[in-house]
Amino acid sequence: GAGVSQSPSNKVTEKGKDVELRCDPISGHTALYWYRQSLGQGLEFLIYFQGNSAPDKSGLPSDRFSAERTGGSVSTLTIQRTQQEDSAVYLCASSARLAGGQNEQFFGPGTRLTVL
Amino acid sequence: AQSVAQPEDQVNVAEGNPLTVKCTYSVSGNPYLFWYVQYPNRGLQFLLKYITGDNLVKGSYGFEAEFNKSQTSFHLKKPSALVSDSALYFCAVRDSTSSASKIIFGSGTRLSIRP
Repeated sequence: GAGVSQSPSNKVTEKGKDVELRCDPISGHTALYWYRQSLGQGLEFLIYFQGNSAPDKSGLPSDRFSAERTGGSVSTLTIQRTQQEDSAVYLCASSARLAGGQNEQFFGPGTRLTVL
Repeated sequence: AQSVAQPEDQVNVAEGNPLTVKCTYSVSGNPYLFWYVQYPNRGLQFLLKYITGDNLVKGSYGFEAEFNKSQTSFHLKKPSALVSDSALYFCAVRDSTSSASKIIFGSGTRLSIRP
């Protein structure tokens, strides 16, 4: 497919369990972002990968959250010991990174996480 | 540090009237500015962007935005609103002078167009 894909589309888990969310960016896009959106509200920045540079993790809300990007392509966001306040839609976006970062982002459909 | 503000949580406009969704920003250098739209139960879609050049930028679905450097604003506009424009709109900014800078989004404005 040509767009950003995310899996699963929906995830229901019990409090205290670990979850993994996956993002497949558009092929060739070097920049990848994770955001969190609660109940149709604003986008909360979580983490940013750009090529081989060290990721910007400044938005991760706690050490229970981590993310990796293997081979500069697929990314996995892991939430350990999930809490009810982690319930949200997790959005992934990618962009082609020309010099200066002028390019817009392409968003995936999101993963809706519900922690019971 | 960079930031972006959307001062209105909700904007209500009658169909056929002009609409404006406000956005102000703060960056250390020069901004790259973006508008995105999120329709109900759908993903975010890119509308338009300002990089350099003309202050008036035209985008998808008849929307345009005006970059005003002195007021540090990038308001989204449309001359004649449609009911189908009802959605959640996000403004975003990146500092062009930092190669490591990330895109920051505003809190969003819900636009409601009444028939």
